[in-house]
Amino acid sequence: EIVLTQSPATLSLSPGERATLSCRASQSISTYLAWYQKKPGLAPRLLIYDASNRAAGIPARFSGSGSGTDFTLTISSLEPEDSAVYYCQQRYTWPLFGGGSKVEIK
Amino acid sequence: QVQLVQSGGEVRKPGASVKVSCKASGYNFTTYGISWVREAPGQGLEWMGWISAYTGNRNYAQKFQGRVSMTTDISTGTAYMELRSLRSDDTAVYYCARVVGAFDVWGQGTRVTVSS
Repeated sequence: EIVLTQSPATLSLSPGERATLSCRASQSISTYLAWYQKKPGLAPRLLIYDASNRAAGIPARFSGSGSGTDFTLTISSLEPEDSAVYYCQQRYTWPLFGGGSKVEIK
Repeated sequence: QVQLVQSGGEVRKPGASVKVSCKASGYNFTTYGISWVREAPGQGLEWMGWISAYTGNRNYAQKFQGRVSMTTDISTGTAYMELRSLRSDDTAVYYCARVVGAFDVWGQGTRVTVSS
């Protein structure tokens, strides 16, 4: 079974700063990786699909990169509303989510 | 607009079953599959399984094999997820999501509480 490891577990940054979140797969998953944003009480929101493609309506400050086993979600300039837990998900095999990274805005 | 609307919250006793519905609108229901994902309190997102709305083919996560059933009703554009032999650790919010590769549209979630 493919395991996705996300880091850091928590990231605390100020508005305007850059956030870099990592997702590492235990084996190559090509670019079959998506990123989701999860806020309390709301459904998850697709941000990035196939490693680097922004979903419809997602602000340009969100970007994804990587292939194989190492992937990154970057939020170029944090806004207060970006406070959330971010999950990566692979679909190389049957879907599996990483453990999540919490972004806190100071 | 494309949306998935789920049924309301449920409370069940341990050992009982629950069936959650997910009604699609705004797109051709048979074009895409539906996955079910849950979020237990303090836990992350957990994929439960997938069903093709067109063929009815399904695949369940090993953890739920034998306890979960996913079905669709093409005539109403509705997907269903039934979970049996409920335990307290099945208390969670259950989501359906449209599968286009990634999960691009999500239902609002259905809270299922298992308590004696």
